[in-house]
This record gives sequence, C-alpha cells and structure tokens, in this order.
Amino acid sequence: TQLLEQSPQFLSIQEGENLTVYCNSSSVFSSLQWYRQEPGEGPVLLVTVVTGGEVKKLKRLTFQFGDARKDSSLHITAAQPGDTGLYLCAGGSAGGSYIPTFGRGTSLIVHP
Amino acid sequence: GAVVSQHPSWVICKSGTSVKIECRSLDFQATTMFWYRQFPKQSLMLMATSNEGSKATYEQGVEKDKFLINHASLTLSTLTVTSAHPEDSSFYICSAREMGFGNTIYFGEGSWLTVV
Repeated sequence: TQLLEQSPQFLSIQEGENLTVYCNSSSVFSSLQWYRQEPGEGPVLLVTVVTGGEVKKLKRLTFQFGDARKDSSLHITAAQPGDTGLYLCAGGSAGGSYIPTFGRGTSLIVHP
Repeated sequence: GAVVSQHPSWVICKSGTSVKIECRSLDFQATTMFWYRQFPKQSLMLMATSNEGSKATYEQGVEKDKFLINHASLTLSTLTVTSAHPEDSSFYICSAREMGFGNTIYFGEGSWLTVV
C-alpha cells in the first residue's frame, strides 16, 4: 500500500506570511494532485504534476514535484484569508487500477 | 475543467431507512469512480472503488451489504446506505477518474447525511 505523509497537519498563520506544505512518500507516483477543500464542500483540484522536477505556478501558489517523483511541495506566498482550507495531496501509480492515495491533509487557517 | 455532480447535497433520514446518493460525471466518461467518507477536519477515507459494469471493490472494514454501490453507466455511480443508523451520519464524497494524461481525479460537491 502506498502511503503519503503530509505535513504539517495544522497551520495557523497571519495574513501576508509564507508557508510550505509537504507531501512525502517512499513510493514513486506516476502523477500527483493537490486539492483544496473548504468546509462542507468537495475538494477542488488545484494542479496535477506528472514529471519529476516539475514546477507549476498558480498565482501565489507554487507546486513542485520531486525529481524522483516521491514527494511534492506546495508553497504559498503572502497568504490571504481566502487561502484558508484543507489542502490535500493525492498520488497514484500508472496502470489500469489507478487508485489515488491521499495524504492526511493540512488544515490551514490564515488570520486577517 | 471536468465536472462531477453529486446529489443530494444534504439529506436527513430516519434510522432504519435507506438513502441513495448519486454521482455523475457531466462532461466526461468515467469507468472508475470512488466513494469516500470524511469526518470533520480529516482527510478522505476511501470506502470503495466503483467500476462501470462490474462489482465495486470495497476497502477493508467497509460493509458492502450496508453500502451498496452501483455503477450502471459511464457517467453515473450510486451509493445506497441501507438500514441507516445515526453513526452513518457523515459527509460522503464521490470522485471520478478522467482517463488519460495524469489520471486526474475530480470530486463531487459532497453529500451530508444525517440519520435521526
């Protein structure tokens, strides 16, 4: 069973601060997704990374996939209260029975 | 992006009754859909993998006779909670896999089930 370790589990910061969320595994993933979920709603896809070493930017969010495709990070610059939510990483291996493995999630609160 | 619709968004039912939740992929075909349960401030707990035209694969500890899953078409999977009990109250989320590049998973909006 593939495991994804996500850290930190909780993060409470002030508006304007920077933060990084990590997603690590001992397994190699063919692709990895990051999602953001607000209370009472389904997770919303932020990005998919598939190439080792890949870096993707989405406004103030920077996503990086490790060279060995075993880990990923999400960096938020100048966090805003609207960034508050549960951030989830999910990875899976190629093949017909692709079943994504989810990290435990990082609950982020950005205080104004 | 791809859209997955889940219905109903919330439902209240009496103990002992059954409740059906639908999950539809609106603009793509999904041979595989997933059903999750989520507790407050926790990650998603995979309940089962739903495969179009075949039986669902349940995760360990999930009662398949209680959580009936049907994936009758490439765009629809249903989860029926049978003989519901208050402890079944939870947030249920479905997702669908868009085949191809990246095997991206898209989620429904979730369904709140309250059993009274």
